[in-house]
Amino acid sequence: DAMVIQNPRYQVTQFGKPVTLSCSQTLNHNVMYWYQQKSSQAPKLLFHYYDKDFNNEADTPDNFQSRRPNTSFCFLDIRSPGLGDAAMYLCATSRVSGTGNTEAFFGQGTRLTVV
Amino acid sequence: GEDVEQSLFLSVREGDSSVINCTYTDSSSTYLYWYKQEPGAGLQLLTYIFSNMDMKQDQRLTVLLNKKDKHLSLRIADTQTGDSAIYFCAEIPSNNDYKLSFGAGTTVTVRA
Repeated sequence: DAMVIQNPRYQVTQFGKPVTLSCSQTLNHNVMYWYQQKSSQAPKLLFHYYDKDFNNEADTPDNFQSRRPNTSFCFLDIRSPGLGDAAMYLCATSRVSGTGNTEAFFGQGTRLTVV
Repeated sequence: GEDVEQSLFLSVREGDSSVINCTYTDSSSTYLYWYKQEPGAGLQLLTYIFSNMDMKQDQRLTVLLNKKDKHLSLRIADTQTGDSAIYFCAEIPSNNDYKLSFGAGTTVTVRA
């Protein structure tokens, strides 16, 4: 059974039109991550939530926002998508504790196309 | 991904062994991971190794860690067509507790 679920798998949006991608998890992990992956590149961390605490990467554009209303769900909001934001967006979760870290589990990704 | 480096491509004949190599820069890395990504899909965790281990074997997969040289490798025995994918090496650097730093990925092509 899928443990990290991303919806939709494919999203087409218009240039400048706000779009939201969603992620849910059944693992009860305390950390949720959003990565952006462009073709033939490594995934790039945009931000993550450690419980309710939001942690933005220094080079993540302001155009990208995130919400985590509860443990299970996390959303990626792109306020004004540009053509350069077309990419695969990957959600991941992990359990982080004082005694160590579990591995990160990834969803299947949402492929965003901007037209 | 500049802290983790991988060769970009590997072609292997079906039934042969594949060896994917990775070098990393942070000698204090605690965990090192191998992920597999099939076309259009997310990342699937294949295996991971703690930094105090030299080797880990899991069915067809063997991970070797050389801490002195900061070199990690993944060996896939009896490579099958279903093993064709991009393989990412990742580490958790010591300057943070839990965020993964990925290499650029090695594209493995299995030919008949």
